[in-house]
Amino acid sequence: QQQVKQSPQSLIVQKGGISIINCAYENTAFDYFPWYQQFPGKGPALLIAIRPDVSEKKEGRFTISFNKSAKQFSLHIMDSQPGDSATYFCAASGRGTGRRALTFGSGTRLQVQP
Amino acid sequence: NAGVTQTPKFQVLKTGQSMTLQCAQDMNHNSMYWYRQDPGMGLRLIYYSASEGTTDKGEVPNGYNVSRLNKREFSLRLESAAPSQTSVYFCASSERLAGNTGELFFGEGSRLTVL
Repeated sequence: QQQVKQSPQSLIVQKGGISIINCAYENTAFDYFPWYQQFPGKGPALLIAIRPDVSEKKEGRFTISFNKSAKQFSLHIMDSQPGDSATYFCAASGRGTGRRALTFGSGTRLQVQP
Repeated sequence: NAGVTQTPKFQVLKTGQSMTLQCAQDMNHNSMYWYRQDPGMGLRLIYYSASEGTTDKGEVPNGYNVSRLNKREFSLRLESAAPSQTSVYFCASSERLAGNTGELFFGEGSRLTVL
């Protein structure tokens, strides 16, 4: 049972372009939506997070857009750089999970070509 | 400042063998976790420990046991390894339970192959 569905599985973007990764969730009790970034050979690290009381959160070139009615949220990377090449995971948690831990999506491998 | 340290980084086992993955954090965090990462399946929670002295099952606990040795250390044991347990294992810690917006800090992973 995959509670958080992530797409695409892989993504190739040219330097300077916009990278967009989408996630959809089923559990309406989710109320915290972080994104984690993982470089090869390393563990994931928190990139940016959002709560459903706002529709958008921006930190530098990274923006989360949140659509509560559609139960979808997405990560936008503006002016993508080769250093952004990594695997990105969306995640969610909330009352339905007993607030115990995060449920992760399946991951998106992003490659930014120079 | 090491953060979260996992050992070993690589291990090859034969079916039926046992082993323990060790994890230690130096951030004085209360909560610790074990995840496994498999291609196309993301990160799946095996076990977690909300605080010292407590452990709970996650999404995929079968075939594993854990011990929260003290506040710093959280080990994962495979009693009788199976090929389906071939994976990359990540230990993580957080100041408070991650579901309460506690940021997870991950180790660099332990790659396990079961033949």
